[in-house]
Amino acid sequence: SQQGEEDPQALSIQEGENATMNCSYKTSINNLQWYRQNSGRGLVHLILIRSNEREKHSGRLRVTLDTSKKSSSLLITASRAADTASYFCAMRSNDYKLSFGAGTTVTVRA
Amino acid sequence: GAVVSQHPSRVICKSGTSVKIECRSLDFQATTMFWYRQFPKQSLMLMATSNEGSKATYEQGVEKDKFLINHASLTLSTLTVTSAHPEDSSFYICSADAGTGDYGYTFGSGTRLTVV
Repeated sequence: SQQGEEDPQALSIQEGENATMNCSYKTSINNLQWYRQNSGRGLVHLILIRSNEREKHSGRLRVTLDTSKKSSSLLITASRAADTASYFCAMRSNDYKLSFGAGTTVTVRA
Repeated sequence: GAVVSQHPSRVICKSGTSVKIECRSLDFQATTMFWYRQFPKQSLMLMATSNEGSKATYEQGVEKDKFLINHASLTLSTLTVTSAHPEDSSFYICSADAGTGDYGYTFGSGTRLTVV
């Protein structure tokens, strides 16, 4: 299964600022999902965007998908200290498997 | 919402022993569950797909005799790390598709395995 690439690897921002992270993948997908992981914990699903969608919003989250470039971005607006975590994109292929990106570690400074 | 319960959360075992990790879907039936392994500060690597009532399918490079998967019911999948060695120390996470449309997959809270 493919693995995605994410950038940046790490991001440090001030509370209230926006955080943007990008994900690229190699093969066709059914949908792309973003997850958050706090240190040493399981993953929490944030948002899912289908292959025929280009943009989606959920609260302070905005995700885009460009299937022609095989890339996606996640924007977190007005960040909070509680947003400090690792963020992973995950590509779902037609065989229902999820393949994860390398992850972006976000630190929000108070 | 859908919940996947994973136990134990932490386990320390001696080299050569076997360890069983359980993954339960609490409020939905899961015909398929997935097992991942995660090394520190790295991404999740899919190890195998657990199928209720049939054999698991393993990803390339994953030893099926080392990582035994049993999915005996629609709510329980187990991963047994057999004859564990220090290099098997890792964070293991299971997930399942609750079929909730746009809500992605539901993950367990993970198991930190340390082999000494």
